[in-house]
Amino acid sequence: QKEVEQNSGPLSVPEGAIASLNCTYSDRGSQSFFWYRQYSGKSPELIMFIYSNGDKEDGRFTAQLNKASQYVSLLIRDSQPSDSATYLCAVNTPGNQFYFGTGTSLTVIP
Amino acid sequence: GAVVSQHPSWVICKSGTSVKIECRSLDFQATTMFWYRQFPKQSLMLMATSNEGSKATYEQGVEKDKFLINHASLTLSTLTVTSAHPEDSSFYICSAKNPRSGANEQFFGPGTRLTVL
Repeated sequence: QKEVEQNSGPLSVPEGAIASLNCTYSDRGSQSFFWYRQYSGKSPELIMFIYSNGDKEDGRFTAQLNKASQYVSLLIRDSQPSDSATYLCAVNTPGNQFYFGTGTSLTVIP
Repeated sequence: GAVVSQHPSWVICKSGTSVKIECRSLDFQATTMFWYRQFPKQSLMLMATSNEGSKATYEQGVEKDKFLINHASLTLSTLTVTSAHPEDSSFYICSAKNPRSGANEQFFGPGTRLTVL
């Protein structure tokens, strides 16, 4: 089992809709969870992180964490074509290892 | 946030030559830096963890004699691809953790695209 799993997609949503990206992790003791965005040919950029159960909102982005279910998600409200990218989920384990998922490709259709 | 730079941003070299890629943390001191490789349409693959003042820790399957890592200072780590071959052509990305950041997130450099002819 991989440390971090994501649905590779591709996920397509119309402009203005909510995009929902999901991620599960295997190490129950993991403490910190991150969402990165990567445009084609570019390096990842941090969108937000979360380490407490519940929701964390930052502008159009909301991260949701459920440690009991070992599940973290990212919601993008009012999706824009510029949000089209690959979204990477990353987890920091108790052993201070940093694992990335394989990424979910998102396309926002104008 | 934190700024991480890489140099060069792209490089083309002949098969058999060596290529050095630099990774610098510009506004913080990074005791730990990471080197990743990414092939087209694939995810990031961690190659090694670079520790200042000590030997790098390589992931399984990564040849330490081929990918030489030197972390000589708190702001600079280098990756040297020795005797490069076409199959080494890839996007190499470094990242660093800012020890002052409580979230323990990694900040990525812009990447170096290596093409070996």
